[in-house]
Amino acid sequence: KAGVTQTPRYLIKTRGQQVTLSCSPISGHRSVSWYQQTPGQGLQFLFEYFSETQRNKGNFPGRFSGRQFSNSRSEMNVSTLELGDSALYLCASSLGSGADTQYFGPGTRLTVL
Amino acid sequence: AQSVTQLGSHVSVSEGALVLLRCNYSSSVPPYLFWYVQYPNQGLQLLLKYTSAATLVKGINGFEAEFKKSETSFHLTKPSAHMSDAAEYFCAVSDETARQLTFGSGTQLTVLP
Repeated sequence: KAGVTQTPRYLIKTRGQQVTLSCSPISGHRSVSWYQQTPGQGLQFLFEYFSETQRNKGNFPGRFSGRQFSNSRSEMNVSTLELGDSALYLCASSLGSGADTQYFGPGTRLTVL
Repeated sequence: AQSVTQLGSHVSVSEGALVLLRCNYSSSVPPYLFWYVQYPNQGLQLLLKYTSAATLVKGINGFEAEFKKSETSFHLTKPSAHMSDAAEYFCAVSDETARQLTFGSGTQLTVLP
């Protein structure tokens, strides 16, 4: 099976812009989760989608949003970018229960200038 | 609320020596526990997981971990370190209600020749 893919791998944006990141899960996986990784805060959960519904949300401002399509592909959007949004954004897919392994993509490296 | 503490942000071992990476968790419900490894500029790869079956869990690349409920620990070990084990290791906790991964701050493992 193909793994989790994320596009693009690298992005450079300026403050105030918005950005959309894409994630394609492993075939058959209905759950997609997004995480932010920074040197200061480590790995933090953003949100999880299951069958096109946001099922869980972390403690991030409303500038961070996402959606999931009927084919389980997911997008994450960040509006009004701030310097602190520079991070590695990781997407993970799973079958959907707490015990299921989350398989991670390679991430999108976002740099905000 | 769940939390994970990884003692030692940096651990150095000699090639061939025992690897011990420490992880303690806090969870109000039965936890699921995971160890992931991250190589530079890559996503996270699952090493092993505990989901309430056997308390001693064997994973890939010779790693294993033991779930000790009384100590709320899930330490990762490998009898003999290899140069290719140099990477960052993350312990994470989940449960059937949260379904999200809560990560520790990570341990950078260096293997000395």
